This record gives sequence, C-alpha cells and structure tokens, in this order.
Amino acid sequence: EVQLVESGGGLVQPGGSLRLSCAASGFTFSSYEMNWVRQAPGKGLEWVSYISSSGSTIYYADSVKGRFTISRDNAKNSLYLQMNSLRAEDTAVYYCARDNYGVGYFDLWGRGTLVTVSS
Amino acid sequence: DIQMTQSPSTLSASVGDRVTITCRASQSISSWLAWYQQKPGKAPKLLIYKASSLESGVPSRFSGSGSGTEFTLTISSLQPDDFATYYCQQYNSPWTFGQGTKVEIK
Repeated sequence: EVQLVESGGGLVQPGGSLRLSCAASGFTFSSYEMNWVRQAPGKGLEWVSYISSSGSTIYYADSVKGRFTISRDNAKNSLYLQMNSLRAEDTAVYYCARDNYGVGYFDLWGRGTLVTVSS
Repeated sequence: DIQMTQSPSTLSASVGDRVTITCRASQSISSWLAWYQQKPGKAPKLLIYKASSLESGVPSRFSGSGSGTEFTLTISSLQPDDFATYYCQQYNSPWTFGQGTKVEIK
C-alpha cells in the first residue's frame, strides 16, 4: 500500500526539541521530493519545509528558518524534521507530504503527528 | 511571498446545490494551483492540480478553472460526502495555501 506514516510528536516545553519521522512505503521514495506541512489547532495549512529527492536542495518557511532542519534517508525510506527552540506557536499537527515528481503539488499525505509546545 | 485569499470563508449549501469557491493570488501564478479537500481529523486530499486537471479517482462533479490570479473550484451537484473544508495552494514559489473554505450543511 502506498502510504506515509508520521511519528515522533508529543508534548514538549518551550525551548525544547523534538524530532519527527515519516516512514514511506509502497513507492520509490528516493524518486520523490518531500515536504512538511503543519496545521495549528482549528487553523489552516502552512507549508514548513521542502527537500529534494537527493537531499541536496532544501527550503524552509521564514517562521521556522534557523530552528528546524529537514533531512531524509533514502536507504531507510524515511523523512525527518528536527525541531529546536520550539515555541507555543509551533503547536500543530505536522504532516509529511509527497511532491508529485517535483511539480509542486502534494499528491500523497500522511495522517499527521501532533506536536504540543506548552509548559 | 505570494498570498492566497479564498472566498467565502464559510459556505452553507444543500445536497444537489452547485457550489463555487474562489481563490485569488497576490501576483500571477500562471496555472500553478491545486485544490485540496480536508475532513475533520483527516489529512488533506488532492482534488485538482494545474488549476483544472482532475486528480485520478476524484469524482467528475469537481472542476477547477482560472489562470493568472483568479481561480475557482466548482462542485456541480453537492453530495453528502462533500461537506468539508477546501484549500487552494499555489506552487509557483514557494508554497502557500489559502485560509480555507468550510462547506457546511444549510
């Protein structure tokens, strides 16, 4: 089955760190660009970060630049998001999303993992 | 960054109604626009890409149109499964979403 499964979310204090993972299956992960998208409770969707298929090109939203790091391990069919210096406004469901062969729209999404930043 | 503005924010409609949602970009994005459907507690689902191309498996009652800065998503005959929130997304550079349009039961 073609799917993405996120993990690693949880409750963390402001200033803390968390690492999210996204496990891909059912398709050739190494051929696809990948993204992280988040959604704060009751709010809309916000693109967070992009990584090319090889990992050589990376982009971040201004809201997370310098604090979050995206990476991937194609041998393990996995995508990661290292989140440091977390703030209350980072509280959200984090989705990994597959970019359709680099065109730019997201044709496959995981179910998401909830990150809560609170003391 | 390119800003995306959807209207309306909420839309009340009945089963069988024709529904239209508008998305405007702050600058031209050619046809680099996608539409997603999201139901509560679920991940977004791709409906339309490149402004008017229907994703495989999506019912033909969904259609998209537009180019440049103004786009529309139309549901020709609203079905019970269509009550959800809809988002537009531009993928010209970088990636931004509209704020969403909730389609609720009238």
